[in-house]
Amino acid sequence: NAGVTQTPKFQVLKTGQSMTLQCAQDMNHEYMSWYRQDPGMGLRLIHYSVGAGITDQGEVPNGYNVSRSTTEDFPLRLLSAAPSQTSVYFCASSYGLAGVTDTQYFGPGTRLTVL
Amino acid sequence: GQQVMQIPQYQHVQEGEDFTTYCNSSTTLSNIQWYKQRPGGHPVFLIQLVKSGEVKKQKRLTFQFGEAKKNSSLHITATQTTDVGTYFCAGPRSQGNLIFGKGTKLSVKP
Repeated sequence: NAGVTQTPKFQVLKTGQSMTLQCAQDMNHEYMSWYRQDPGMGLRLIHYSVGAGITDQGEVPNGYNVSRSTTEDFPLRLLSAAPSQTSVYFCASSYGLAGVTDTQYFGPGTRLTVL
Repeated sequence: GQQVMQIPQYQHVQEGEDFTTYCNSSTTLSNIQWYKQRPGGHPVFLIQLVKSGEVKKQKRLTFQFGEAKKNSSLHITATQTTDVGTYFCAGPRSQGNLIFGKGTKLSVKP
């Protein structure tokens, strides 16, 4: 199993550009989530999904969209990039509800810089 | 809102010294998880504690869950350079996802 994969590994955008960060898992996990990590801020939840067709907002959802059309994929869309979105983005998945029954498996991350 | 706090934010130790990081929640937790993130890497699950007062060991790492299930600690005995990284605790939210502490960054001087 590849586990959780993320593409791209690095990305530089200009303010106002849009892009999609890709996340895929091959473990048949129902639960997937997106976090951003900023220095001194820990991991903050952006959006999450408890299964295909179901998504919900986390702590810091503004400026981001998600969709979950399949169990495997959970892309994160930046609608109009801003310098405040410069961060490292991690996708994570778990078989069941994270924190209730299951641990989370994290992808390798995408380092995004917005100029 | 629900908060999970970790102290210290940074810890610098000489190789061979012990290290402890503390995690405190504003609410009672059904369980607590610990993750380790190596520099440049991604968080990796270490352990989950469920029972009040639970103590678990993994080689030189000792994890404790407080009696009131609002606090936890991770203790590393005789640190090694391989212990370098950031250690996060995380607790469940009602929505079925995790809230993470801000982490303790450990550096080890050989």
